[in-house]
Amino acid sequence: GAVVSQHPSRVICKSGTSVKIECRSLDFQATTMFWYRQFPKKSLMLMATSNEGSKATYEQGVEKDKFLINHASLTLSTLTVTSAHPEDSSFYICSAKLNEQFFGPGTRLTVL
Amino acid sequence: RKEVEQDPGPFNVPEGATVAFNCTYSNSASQSFFWYRQDCRKEPKLLMSVYSSGNEDGRFTAQLNRASQYISLLIRDSKLSDSATYLCAVIDQTGANNLFFGTGTRLTVIP
Repeated sequence: GAVVSQHPSRVICKSGTSVKIECRSLDFQATTMFWYRQFPKKSLMLMATSNEGSKATYEQGVEKDKFLINHASLTLSTLTVTSAHPEDSSFYICSAKLNEQFFGPGTRLTVL
Repeated sequence: RKEVEQDPGPFNVPEGATVAFNCTYSNSASQSFFWYRQDCRKEPKLLMSVYSSGNEDGRFTAQLNRASQYISLLIRDSKLSDSATYLCAVIDQTGANNLFFGTGTRLTVIP
């Protein structure tokens, strides 16, 4: 099946810093990628839809200036959490759409 | 009102038991439905799609009830390896085929 990777798998950062998470489709091209966030014991919540070559579409309540998304190629989308706060600590998962959505392994972000 | 709702459980069942999960969705126009399995601290993996006529894959059976707007997952002859969180997901037809997930139902199969 299709493979999606994420990097890093885990990151710990200080409050106020920015963190970039990469999502790559390894064996297929994806014009559409999705970014989700999952808090402990909660559901995956869609944050934004990333479209190659155009601006991302953000879900209601997600600040586009805080969560910067860049989908510069058909195999790479990046999510940058700017000025991170402890409440941004979460599990961030991307997915890439082929005939179905294939999920990356997730990035666990801890903001101290 | 949440798009997709599930009983979070936990469901603790003995090996060999049959267990069923339900999930309700609010958007009557939704067309595509899925069950995912998520292990602790891992990404969700597609378990099966849910078709109008119902579908079966080994010990797993998924059904859709459009009138009542719910989908179900039945697991027969539970194995220890079935212990996981099961998420239902629905595609929102009004958008860009975004997946909306339920909160997941935690299943623990006990020896």
